[in-house]
Amino acid sequence: GAVVSQHPSRVICKSGTSVKIECRSLDFQATTMFWYRQFPKQSLMLMATSNEGSKATYEQGVEKDKFLINHASLTLSTLTVTSAHPEDSSFYICSANEGRDSPLHFGNGTRLTVT
Amino acid sequence: KNQVEQSPQSLIILEGKNCTLQCNYTVSPFSNLRWYKQDTGRGPVSLTIMTFSENTKSNGRYTATLDADTKQSSLHITASQLSDSASYICVVSPGYALNFGKGTSLLVTP
Repeated sequence: GAVVSQHPSRVICKSGTSVKIECRSLDFQATTMFWYRQFPKQSLMLMATSNEGSKATYEQGVEKDKFLINHASLTLSTLTVTSAHPEDSSFYICSANEGRDSPLHFGNGTRLTVT
Repeated sequence: KNQVEQSPQSLIILEGKNCTLQCNYTVSPFSNLRWYKQDTGRGPVSLTIMTFSENTKSNGRYTATLDADTKQSSLHITASQLSDSASYICVVSPGYALNFGKGTSLLVTP
């Protein structure tokens, strides 16, 4: 079945550094991928919609200059957290699907800890 | 405003028992409704996806129902197992976006 691979699963970085998270669709092409953030015991919060070959669409309140999204190919989207701060520590998850009414496949998430 | 409300917020049941989780939504227009299971620290996994014309869909011990007229869905878990302990998230889509419920946290105890 369709699989979405997310890497890394965990990352610890120092304040002020940047972190890149990769999201790959392994056996299907995804023109659209989604990036979410999840705080403990809370539901997923959509951050942005990543569109292959064009600019990402960010949700209200999400800083596009801080969370850089690149969707360079039909199987890869990246989220870069720039100049990370401790409040950026969270669980970041990506998802993709093959079509509008097809199952949405999620990556296993990336636990980011900023010290 | 498109909203997805799930209840209960949390639930504790004994292993082997059945339970039903609820999802009410105001999303319009309606394209599809999805139920996901999310284990702690992992990404959500799809359980079912239903479009407007579908009233029920099963996936093993999980059965989802949809009443598009009343805008309600339920997820029924039969003969619960310890591994069913997780968050269950209802996601409703008008076709161009996803609206997430806050989830129901289920704990199955021995």
